[in-house]
Amino acid sequence: GENVEQHPSTLSVQEGDSAVIKCTYSDSASNYFPWYKQELGKGPQLIIDIRSNVGEKKDQRIAVTLNKTAKHFSLHITETQPEDSAVYFCAAMNSGGYQKVTFGIGTKLQVIP
Amino acid sequence: DSGVTQTPKHLITATGQRVTLRCSPRSGDLSVYWYQQSLDQGLQFLIHYYNGEERAKGNILERFSAQQFPDLHSELNLSSLELGDSALYFCASSGERGDYEQYFGPGTRLTVT
Repeated sequence: GENVEQHPSTLSVQEGDSAVIKCTYSDSASNYFPWYKQELGKGPQLIIDIRSNVGEKKDQRIAVTLNKTAKHFSLHITETQPEDSAVYFCAAMNSGGYQKVTFGIGTKLQVIP
Repeated sequence: DSGVTQTPKHLITATGQRVTLRCSPRSGDLSVYWYQQSLDQGLQFLIHYYNGEERAKGNILERFSAQQFPDLHSELNLSSLELGDSALYFCASSGERGDYEQYFGPGTRLTVT
């Protein structure tokens, strides 16, 4: 089955700096890669996603890149703000199957004001 | 607010007992997914239902079962509860097949004592 590894497990950055979280996946059939943000006491919230026919996608301060050959994808947050502090999860899915999603272990991001 | 609702928010019960967790998907969504989130295991996919039919199973124990009803709400039944079943249980919903985005509910925190 699919295996998703996520690094780092914790990340502290100064407000205004950039944050990068990296994930690798094992199943070459995976073709959909969402990123979720989870704040304390809440459910995961979809913040951005990318499909395997695209190499990069950007939404304001958030961007995701995908390298299918190397089987890795990354989340980039620029101009970080204290409200970006949360746990971020990457995930991989094979949409051609039954949409079974495999999550990374999560990255706790702390933005220091 | 994702539009996905889950009840109850908190549940405290004893070992050996049985509980039922309920999930109502976003209006119009046909798919419901159940996940277990514990500190040491991260987000684990349990099961996926689409329009009343089971579509995929993940790491779901035999003591656990789920179903999706004609009105599309879903229930996750956990029986013979053990201390290790204490976790957050999330459901997520998505739309028609091919609509990959999953939207998570606020979760049910289960504590087994």
